[in-house]
Amino acid sequence: AQKITQTQPGMFVQEKEAVTLDCTYDTSDPSYGLFWYKQPSSGEMIFLIYQGSYDQQNATEGRYSLNFQKARKSANLVISASQLGDSAMYFCAMREAGGFSGGYNKLIFGAGTRLAVHP
Amino acid sequence: DSGVTQTPKHLITATGQRVTLRCSPRSGDLSVYWYQQSLDQGLQFLIQYYNGEERAKGNILERFSAQQFPDLHSELNLSSLELGDSALYFCASSGRQGSSTDTQYFGPGTRLTVL
Repeated sequence: AQKITQTQPGMFVQEKEAVTLDCTYDTSDPSYGLFWYKQPSSGEMIFLIYQGSYDQQNATEGRYSLNFQKARKSANLVISASQLGDSAMYFCAMREAGGFSGGYNKLIFGAGTRLAVHP
Repeated sequence: DSGVTQTPKHLITATGQRVTLRCSPRSGDLSVYWYQQSLDQGLQFLIQYYNGEERAKGNILERFSAQQFPDLHSELNLSSLELGDSALYFCASSGRQGSSTDTQYFGPGTRLTVL
């Protein structure tokens, strides 16, 4: 059964330092997508970064990068040069199958990691 | 701003009542998804519509129903409400032509409180 595990309920980091948020997943489907979302205290869910199972390179989006280790089934989010505004809940999510438009594309979410950035 | 809109932002109602949550997807997106976020269950997928048709169902109660209209907006109807239905309900959309990732973009959510 598909599952996402985030083992760190809470993390803290000093401003301007890098932090890694862990995510492991379980699926038997060879084609899947992995996503990270940020949920600030205001409640909205903000898309950060995507990694496809067939992507050869780790995804990067500005200060966010995804450390994708397929054999270990891990997709850790790395935030570089942390800012106070990075304090939020972070969710790892997985979509099975190819993600083509109109497909069965539900997301399975992990429990989340609450990140606190200290000045 | 994701481009997905949800109304209302907050809803307070009593047990046994019925409410309707509304969602407008991003321009060009054909799929709409509904998710429920509660403290005990986390984020759970409820249902997906694609271009007006139901595409997938998750952990959606029989008291809940949804539809997607020809203009692609969607409504989630919650009836016979119970205290445990109090949660943050998200709508997300995807399915824009040419998208290689089918990333889901979330609306701001509707916070439902059942008293």
